[in-house]
Amino acid sequence: GQQVMQIPQYQHVQEGEDFTTYCNSSTTLSNIQWYKQRPGGHPVFLIQLVKSGEVKKQKRLTFQFGEAKKNSSLHITATQTTDVGTYFCAGHTLNTDKLIFGTGTRLQVFP
Amino acid sequence: NAGVTQTPKFQVLKTGQSMTLQCAQDMNHNSMYWYRQDPGMGLRLIYYSASEGTTDKGEVPNGYNVSRLNKREFSLRLESAAPSQTSVYFCASSENPIPYSNNQPQHFGDGTRLSIL
Repeated sequence: GQQVMQIPQYQHVQEGEDFTTYCNSSTTLSNIQWYKQRPGGHPVFLIQLVKSGEVKKQKRLTFQFGEAKKNSSLHITATQTTDVGTYFCAGHTLNTDKLIFGTGTRLQVFP
Repeated sequence: NAGVTQTPKFQVLKTGQSMTLQCAQDMNHNSMYWYRQDPGMGLRLIYYSASEGTTDKGEVPNGYNVSRLNKREFSLRLESAAPSQTSVYFCASSENPIPYSNNQPQHFGDGTRLSIL
C-alpha cells in the first residue's frame, strides 16, 4: 500500500538550533499538509501545499513541496521550547479525500 | 464553537466487551474520519465518511464498525474488544467538496484513550 515516511523519527536540539524533518511518499500526492501535535494533544493543522516546488513560510517555519510532488520538508529556524511536539506530514493522492499520514517526527527542545 | 467533540476521553475495557466511541462536529463539515494512533506509527485511518449516508473502509478497519448518524455525528463501535485495539482514537472532520479537487484541512477532536485488558 501507499506509504508516507518521515525522517528522523526523533530529534532533540538545543534551543536556538535549527530543525528539519523530511517527508517521502511512495506515490505522487495531490497536496501535502503539515500538522503539529503537542504532547498529550491532538494534531493541529499548520499549512497545505498544492503546487509542485511550492515554498511557504510561517514566521520561523518554512515548508517545501518537492518538484515531483512525492516529498516535502519542514524547516524550523532558531527553535524555541514552544516548538516541542510531533510534526506530521499528510497527503492526499489524486481523486480521493483519504489523507495518508506520515510516521511523524518528535521534536524535543532543550533550553 | 466546540469544533469536534469526542466522548469518552478515557475508557478501560476487558477483552470481549463492546463499546461505542462518539464523535460530533458543529462546523457543518461533509467528511468525517476515525483514526487510531499508536506509538511510532502515526495516525492510521480506520473508517471515514465522505458525506452523510456514506461510509468507507480505511487502512485498518478490521474489528470496527461505524455509523454516520447524521451530518454532525459519526460513531465508532468495537463489537468485541481485543488488547491489540488499545490505542488513542481520534475523530476528525473536514469540508471536502466533491470531486476531491480542493482537499481541506482536517479538524481533530481531543481523542479517546482506550485501554483493553
